[in-house]
Amino acid sequence: GQSLEQPSEVTAVEGAIVQINCTYQTSGFYGLSWYQQHDGGAPTFLSYNGLDGLEETGRFSSFLSRSDSYGYLLLQELQMKDSASYFCAVISNYQLIWGAGTKLIIKP
Amino acid sequence: SQTIHQWPATLVQPVGSPLSLECTVEGTSNPNLYWYRQAAGRGLQLLFYSVGIGQISSEVPQNLSASRPQDRQFILSSKKLLLSDSGFYLCAWSMASASTDTQYFGPGTRLTVL
Repeated sequence: GQSLEQPSEVTAVEGAIVQINCTYQTSGFYGLSWYQQHDGGAPTFLSYNGLDGLEETGRFSSFLSRSDSYGYLLLQELQMKDSASYFCAVISNYQLIWGAGTKLIIKP
Repeated sequence: SQTIHQWPATLVQPVGSPLSLECTVEGTSNPNLYWYRQAAGRGLQLLFYSVGIGQISSEVPQNLSASRPQDRQFILSSKKLLLSDSGFYLCAWSMASASTDTQYFGPGTRLTVL
């Protein structure tokens, strides 16, 4: 089968750094994407890793290790507006296979 | 620039009634189109995807159906709604030629079946 595992909930303090992990098991793999979804809203694209290593976009970074079937999303200088659910998704056979999402709770 | 529209934003329907949700994309040609459902506090479940007019692939057997009558129009339908059809329905598009398959979502329709 195909599966993605990510923590259901993570709590952090405003201004801190948080890492959301994602492990996957899929029949095909072309890359790993991350999406953000605020309560009541639609998911929005954050980042994509097609090759091993770190991709940085402002306060957000994403990492991929294909040999370990593992990736993470790193959020720095957390702001209250970062409170949302974060989904990892594997591109496999021209489709996205989604994780169940990680709810990020930020405390002041 | 590309935009994606979904309507209605919210819908309350009785059990056994029909359903029609519409999604249209502007600013791109021959997009891949997707319908997802999301239960409260859960992840996204892919229902249907389409790579072209009249081409529909179903991921989950259910009482829903999809159609793509035009290149940038995707419709989700049901003849008789069930209580379990309640959820947040999201339409998305991606570029057909892009290997990254980044998907762009519409605002969603929140469906409550009573």
